[in-house]
Amino acid sequence: SQKIEQNSEALNIQEGKTATLTCNYTNYSPAYLQWYRQDPGRGPVFLLLIRENEKEKRKERLKVTFDTTLKQSLFHITASQPADSATYLCAQSLGGSYIPTFGRGTSLIVHP
Amino acid sequence: DGGITQSPKYLFRKEGQNVTLSCEQNLNHDAMYWYRQDPGQGLRLIYYSQIVNDFQKGDIAEGYSVSREKKESFPLTVTSAQKNPTAFYLCASSGQREYEQFFGPGTRLTVL
Repeated sequence: SQKIEQNSEALNIQEGKTATLTCNYTNYSPAYLQWYRQDPGRGPVFLLLIRENEKEKRKERLKVTFDTTLKQSLFHITASQPADSATYLCAQSLGGSYIPTFGRGTSLIVHP
Repeated sequence: DGGITQSPKYLFRKEGQNVTLSCEQNLNHDAMYWYRQDPGQGLRLIYYSQIVNDFQKGDIAEGYSVSREKKESFPLTVTSAQKNPTAFYLCASSGQREYEQFFGPGTRLTVL
């Protein structure tokens, strides 16, 4: 069955550094990958979507890459700030389906 | 303000009681979703509806029921048949043929 996996260990980085989060999938290449931010006790908020035929997408300090060879998406936050501390969820949508499957999320902690 | 609302934010119920969680959106979205989130786990899809008066089971529908009588509303009932109902419940909506999901603030249900 199709799975989507994110590192369960929290990522701790120093303010100003680039944070890189990983999302791996098995078997079939998703048509779309999405990234969401979730703060404690709140609903996720959409950040970026990348299509299968796109290698990279950017939005302000955020960058997402999609490598179908490695079956992986990387999510980068440059010049990270303590306010970026949150859990980041990856979600995949297979071709023909608008319903995403979410990963467990990776917690990011940015230290001042 | 356009958005998606859930009420209440916290809900306590005795074991064996049915409870209904409210979800309302004024985004004019066709599709609505219910997810369950447990600590350390990703979002798991309970039910979804892509059009009024129609809904489909997700991955963990047992012990839950929904209705979609109006485009704006998608209430979720947690029945006494749900063996482990204590969790954080999230409602989401999306536009037709769109992947981005908009989430509500969530309802934390505790069954005593």
